[in-house]
Amino acid sequence: GQQVMQIPQYQHVQEGEDFTTYCNSSTTLSNIQWYKQRPGGHPVFLIQLVKSGEVKKQKRLTFQFGEAKKNSSLHITATQTTDVGTYFCAGLPSYGKLTFGQGTILTVHP
Amino acid sequence: DTEVTQTPKHLVMGMTNKKSLKCEQHMGHRAMYWYKQKAKKPPELMFVYSYEKLSINESVPSRFSPECPNSSLLNLHLHALQPEDSALYLCASSQTGLARETQYFGPGTRLLVL
Repeated sequence: GQQVMQIPQYQHVQEGEDFTTYCNSSTTLSNIQWYKQRPGGHPVFLIQLVKSGEVKKQKRLTFQFGEAKKNSSLHITATQTTDVGTYFCAGLPSYGKLTFGQGTILTVHP
Repeated sequence: DTEVTQTPKHLVMGMTNKKSLKCEQHMGHRAMYWYKQKAKKPPELMFVYSYEKLSINESVPSRFSPECPNSSLLNLHLHALQPEDSALYLCASSQTGLARETQYFGPGTRLLVL
């Protein structure tokens, strides 16, 4: 079946350092969505990428969708303590259902 | 209003109890979802209702019974649960139920089965 692999599982950074999480799909995706879940909270939609090679920015967050539409990344520049949480990608194949990656748990040390 | 509300926030129940989880949205969405999430794991889809009809059941055991009284409300009836059913139960909604749509999640109900 369709799989979305996300790495790393955990990431510990010092405040001010950059952070990146990667998603790879076994099949071509029609789109990929990113969610953030704060500790004790619920997933909150961040962004959706649809086009091959697409890059979108939200302040310190940069999202990329690969040319082959099989991989994606989320990069945070100069992390802050408010960035703490679990970041999930969720990929949608051309035929099939939205599949969540395992998530990357980000810890930011002040 | 982009809020999805869920009640109760926390629930403790025994294996012989019957309880219900409730979810409500007022965004005019026509699709609503139930997810189960274990600690440090991604949400797992359980059910999808689209236009008040059950469109997806991800082979969920019959001890979980969903109900969609109208397009704003979604219930999950629980009966004879097992301790391994303890988890965060998330409700979500989207415009029509197409997989490419943004899903808006509620805060969840933390369920503990003793």
